[in-house]
Amino acid sequence: GENVEQHPSTLSVQEGDSAVIKCTYSDSASNYFPWYKQELGKRPQLIIDIRSNVGEKKDQRIAVTLNKTAKHFSLHITETQPEDSAVYFCAANRRRALTFGSGTRLQVQP
Amino acid sequence: DGGITQSPKYLFRKEGQNVTLSCEQNLNHDAMYWYRQDPGQGLRLIYYSQIVNDFQKGDIAEGYSVSREKKESFPLTVTSAQKNPTAFYLCASTPPRDRGSNTGELFFGEGSRLTVL
Repeated sequence: GENVEQHPSTLSVQEGDSAVIKCTYSDSASNYFPWYKQELGKRPQLIIDIRSNVGEKKDQRIAVTLNKTAKHFSLHITETQPEDSAVYFCAANRRRALTFGSGTRLQVQP
Repeated sequence: DGGITQSPKYLFRKEGQNVTLSCEQNLNHDAMYWYRQDPGQGLRLIYYSQIVNDFQKGDIAEGYSVSREKKESFPLTVTSAQKNPTAFYLCASTPPRDRGSNTGELFFGEGSRLTVL
């Protein structure tokens, strides 16, 4: 089955710096790669996603890149702000469901 | 106000007891999912259902059961066979698929936290 590895598990950056979170997946049939943000005590919410027919997608300060050959994709957050502090999960589709990575706790220091 | 409603929000259970977590959605979504969240392990898929009266096992289905008698409802039963049931349980749904796409955005409920005493 699909296996999604996510690194790092924790990440601390200074406000204004960039943050990068990386994921790898195993199933070459996967074609949908979303990223979710979960704030403390709240439900996960989609922040950006990418499909396999594109290599990069950007939405304001966040961007996702996909390398299908290497089976890895990354989340990039620029000009980080304290409100970006949360746990971030990557995911990849398998059959008709999503398999999630183990999460990255991002702490943005003011 | 459309959305996914999970209940109860907090639940305590004694060992050996079955417990059922409710998940209701009024988004007219076809597919529904149950995930389990443990610290440091992300979200793991328990069961999912694409249509009424049909469901499939996920990666950690042992000790759990589900039903899908109505489009709006997808309850999860945590049975006494589940060895370590203490966790945060999240229900989710997705809208109808685009042509050529098997998966879309997951809309999550607020979760149910189960503690076994």
